[in-house]
Amino acid sequence: AQRVTQPEKLLSVFKGAPVELKCNYSYSGSPELFWYVQYSRQRLQLLLRHISRESIKGFTADLNKGETSFHLKKPFAQEEDSAMYYCALINAGNNRKLIWGLGTSLAVNP
Amino acid sequence: NAGVMQNPRHLVRRRGQEARLRCSPVKGHSHVYWYRQLPEEGLKFMVYLQKENIIDESGMPKERFSAEFPKEGPSILRIQQVVRGDSAAYFCASSPRDMNTEAFFGQGTRLTVV
Repeated sequence: AQRVTQPEKLLSVFKGAPVELKCNYSYSGSPELFWYVQYSRQRLQLLLRHISRESIKGFTADLNKGETSFHLKKPFAQEEDSAMYYCALINAGNNRKLIWGLGTSLAVNP
Repeated sequence: NAGVMQNPRHLVRRRGQEARLRCSPVKGHSHVYWYRQLPEEGLKFMVYLQKENIIDESGMPKERFSAEFPKEGPSILRIQQVVRGDSAAYFCASSPRDMNTEAFFGQGTRLTVV
C-alpha cells in the first residue's frame, strides 16, 4: 500500500542551525513526491517537488529511492521557517490522489 | 485572483444538525478536491469533483456525507446529522487540470460538533 511516514510530529531547532525534516514512503513504482508547507494562519501551499530539483526558500529535498526517503533540508534555519510541513506522494493510478504524511511542526527558536 | 475561498472559517453545530461547507475555487479552475484533517492526523482525501461530476469519492464516508460542484456557484460539502467524530478541519483545493499537484488550497473550515 502507498504510505508516507513523517516520524517526527515536532522538531525544534535554534535559528541558524541545520534542519532536516524526515519523510519516508512506501510505493511500488516511480513516485512523485512533494513537500507542502502551512504557515500559521495561512493556507497549505506547495513548497517543492522532487522532479523540479529546485531550492525554495533555501530548502532542498533529494529523492533517495534506495532508502525510500525524501527528507527536507535547510542548512541554516530561520525563524520564519516555523510552520507545519507535510510530505506527500502522488498515487500514479487512481486519479493521481495525493497521499499525505501526518506532518511535522517545525519550531525555529531565536 | 482571490485564490480558493472557503466559508465559513469556523462552524459550530450541535449533534444531529447539518453542516454545509462552501468552497469557491480559483477563477477558471474546474477541479475541486476536499480533504479532511482530524485532530492528531494528517490530511485525508475525501472527494474529487469536476463541474457537475463526481470523479472520485473513494475517501467519502458512505453515509451522511455528500459533495457537489454545480455548474454555477461554489462546491458544497454537506454533512448530515453531524456527530462529534466529524469535528475536524476541512480543506478544499482547486486546480485547472486533473493533476492535483498544482492544486491551490483554501484556508479550511474548522467544524466543531458540540
